[in-house]
Amino acid sequence: KAGVTQTPRYLIKTRGQQVTLSCSPISGHRSVSWYQQTPGQGLQFLFEYFSETQRNKGNFPGRFSGRQFSNSRSEMNVSTLELGDSALYLCASSPDGGGGYGYTFGSGTRLTVV
Amino acid sequence: KNEVEQSPQNLTAQEGEFITINCSYSVGISALHWLQQHPGGGIVSLFMLSSGKKKHGRLIATINIQEKHSSLHITASHPRDSAVYICAVTPNTGNQFYFGTGTSLTVIP
Repeated sequence: KAGVTQTPRYLIKTRGQQVTLSCSPISGHRSVSWYQQTPGQGLQFLFEYFSETQRNKGNFPGRFSGRQFSNSRSEMNVSTLELGDSALYLCASSPDGGGGYGYTFGSGTRLTVV
Repeated sequence: KNEVEQSPQNLTAQEGEFITINCSYSVGISALHWLQQHPGGGIVSLFMLSSGKKKHGRLIATINIQEKHSSLHITASHPRDSAVYICAVTPNTGNQFYFGTGTSLTVIP
């Protein structure tokens, strides 16, 4: 079966712009969570969506937002990009997001802000 | 304050050696995960544990819920095992991960 698909794989944006990243989960998975990975901070949780509702949110500014569609695909948006937003953004899908069924990660989107 | 602590941070081993990576956590959990990340970024979920021990090939993961501690063992290590290994927990209070900082493993032929 198809895995978790993230698009695009690479992205270069200018400071002040906004960006939208996409994550298509495994068919049947209703939970999608997003993570930021930087060399300095490691992996950090951004937010998790389940059945189109945000269930949990990490400690990131309001410039980071997301949504989930009825087909469980999710998008993440970052507005007013800063240099420090350069990172690998990963999403993971799970049937329920509750830790009981495991998570499958996408390959990530590498965002560079210049 | 880190909910998940891993050790060591870096590890270099000779091919064939037995390797242990440790993870301690401070929150109540519904599951603990061991993840592997190769250069290039993709993350693979190796194990999900809520008790006991799991084995997959040369990899073994154990967890002690009472002591809030888990170990990942690699037997007969091989250069292709070189990667960053990350411990993560799913707290029983929410639907997310807390991550350790990762252990960078290099296995030398």
